[in-house]
Amino acid sequence: AQTVTQSQPEMSVQEAETVTLSCTYDTSENNYYLFWYKQPPSRQMILVIRQEAYKQQNATENRFSVNFQKAAKSFSLKISDSQLGDTAMYFCASTSGGSNYKLTFGKGTLLTVNP
Amino acid sequence: DAMVIQNPRYQVTQFGKPVTLSCSQTLNHNVMYWYQQKSSQAPKLLFHYYDKDFNNEADTPDNFQSRRPNTSFCFLDIRSPGLGDAAMYLCATSRDRGGPEYETQYFGPGTRLLVL
Repeated sequence: AQTVTQSQPEMSVQEAETVTLSCTYDTSENNYYLFWYKQPPSRQMILVIRQEAYKQQNATENRFSVNFQKAAKSFSLKISDSQLGDTAMYFCASTSGGSNYKLTFGKGTLLTVNP
Repeated sequence: DAMVIQNPRYQVTQFGKPVTLSCSQTLNHNVMYWYQQKSSQAPKLLFHYYDKDFNNEADTPDNFQSRRPNTSFCFLDIRSPGLGDAAMYLCATSRDRGGPEYETQYFGPGTRLLVL
């Protein structure tokens, strides 16, 4: 079974600064995928970034990047140049490849970007 | 734009009165999921369909049922809602098996259920 742990229930950052959200996971699978999802208040959950475990290169999407440390089973999200619209609950999630579709979520980190 | 649509966005029902939530998708994805999300918690998977094959999570109460009449639509039926079933219900889709781009899940906006 997979587990995902987000140890920071809440974080805040000043606009334009950089913030890192932590995530650790545990899995016995060799092939798995890792995701960060963003859920703004009362709005839709959207995919922020995705990492394939077999790729060593860290994924990046514009201001969002990850630090994927496979041996340590760590998958942190860095948000650069934070914007007010980044205020949201961020969920780290993992799924194993192949026939297991189940997306295992962490408990989430509520990020507030302050003006 | 291709998307996952949930109707209604807000649903009020009475204790014990059956209710149905609907989800449709224009992504032509093979897999559809239903999650329950309570306040400030992570989504909890209730069940999913791979095409027509229904897959129930072991801890999903019998009170929750689902139907998928075709690729585009999926319904969540709550036979006798209790106060503890008040939550946000999220529908999600993924394309198919076999690779991260196929297994990435895309979520609808959710239906918030209130049980009186």
